[in-house]
Amino acid sequence: GQNIDQPTEMTATEGAIVQINCTYQTSGFNGLFWYQQHAGEAPTFLSYNVLDGLEEKGRFSSFLSRSKGYSYLLLKELQMKDSASYLCVYTGGFKTIFGAGTRLFVKA
Amino acid sequence: SQTIHQWPATLVQPVGSPLSLECTVEGTSNPNLYWYRQAAGRGLQLLFYSVGIGQISSEVPQNLSASRPQDRQFILSSKKLLLSDSGFYLCAWRAGSSYEQYFGPGTRLTVT
Repeated sequence: GQNIDQPTEMTATEGAIVQINCTYQTSGFNGLFWYQQHAGEAPTFLSYNVLDGLEEKGRFSSFLSRSKGYSYLLLKELQMKDSASYLCVYTGGFKTIFGAGTRLFVKA
Repeated sequence: SQTIHQWPATLVQPVGSPLSLECTVEGTSNPNLYWYRQAAGRGLQLLFYSVGIGQISSEVPQNLSASRPQDRQFILSSKKLLLSDSGFYLCAWRAGSSYEQYFGPGTRLTVT
């Protein structure tokens, strides 16, 4: 089967670092994406991992371990505008499976 | 650069009425196209995807249908809306050579 698990909600403080974990159980793996979605808006692409390891893009980094079926999104120097849902997305063949998302609340 | 359009942005329709949502992509050829639905506070559910004109794959059996009359046009339809069809409908595209998808602005549908 295909299943993606990520926490429902997280809260962090402005300026801090937060790690959002994602585990997946599936087959035919092609890649693991992270998207950001602000309330009422469409998702926007953040990162893509196809090989094991860490991909860094400015304040955002994403890690993948294919053998463990595990990924995380790391957000540094949190800003208030980072308050949003973060979607863990698996791709395999023609399939794209979205996790339910983690709602991140950034407080002052 | 590539652009994806969706309309209308919001829609309120009575139960039993028909539906037609349109999505068009500019700046690319032969994109893979997707329709998703997102219920309030929930994840995205893939409804249909298309790899070419006239080629539609359905992921979830329901009272919705999709068509792709032109290379960069994707239409989501229903003959009779149900209350459960309410949600945020998102169209997305990706180039055949990559995996990342780009989303349109979405249509918020409320069935009353």
